[in-house]
Amino acid sequence: DSGVTQTPKHLITATGQRVTLRCSPRSGDLSVYWYQQSLDQGLQFLIQYYNGEERAKGNILERFSAQQFPDLHSELNLSSLELGDSALYFCASSVAPVTSGTWYNEQFFGPGTRLTVL
Amino acid sequence: KNEVEQSPQNLTAQEGEFITINCSYSVGISALHWLQQHPGGGIVSLFMLSSGKKKHGRLIATINIQEKHSSLHITASHPRDSAVYICAVETLLSGGYNKLIFGAGTRLAVHP
Repeated sequence: DSGVTQTPKHLITATGQRVTLRCSPRSGDLSVYWYQQSLDQGLQFLIQYYNGEERAKGNILERFSAQQFPDLHSELNLSSLELGDSALYFCASSVAPVTSGTWYNEQFFGPGTRLTVL
Repeated sequence: KNEVEQSPQNLTAQEGEFITINCSYSVGISALHWLQQHPGGGIVSLFMLSSGKKKHGRLIATINIQEKHSSLHITASHPRDSAVYICAVETLLSGGYNKLIFGAGTRLAVHP
């Protein structure tokens, strides 16, 4: 058990709908990362938050948005869902963001949310 | 060409065999991670390294920064090692923050 929790575990919805995925980081971790794992694209970095602020963006679509709340939990909002959005969505947390040349952060992954868009 | 390449894609071994999974990358990195993804989907961080070699139980990870190459070795493999092993590199983004770029993974099956 990594200490990172994600809800729900599974989500089945229809095209065009909107869903919210939730992540609670490990106690004491300030950084939250969101990743998407699809069959054809593998794991991809979506977005990172640190202590409530967006810090880095990856391959995140405009239909997707995220935020990190004062209690450090994070939500990933996916809207106007398409069939291709079906994937495993992972959240990970670490103590702090990494700055090159200083120190390195191990990321602890949650169990993931499996999203199926029908 | 992908920025992180893993080989082999699939690997089958008999229990007790020595296993090597390779990772090559083409970008500048600050660290390299080896992750294990279980059949149920959960991801566990195995190693994070920026130079040299690390060992944890039967697992050994090495990295050669000059050659942009890392290897993950499993000694005395066991069926419970069956999983997907993913190499990920940390690259520097503007603002001093890093992101992970993932390889496609190596699916390992160890048979008794």
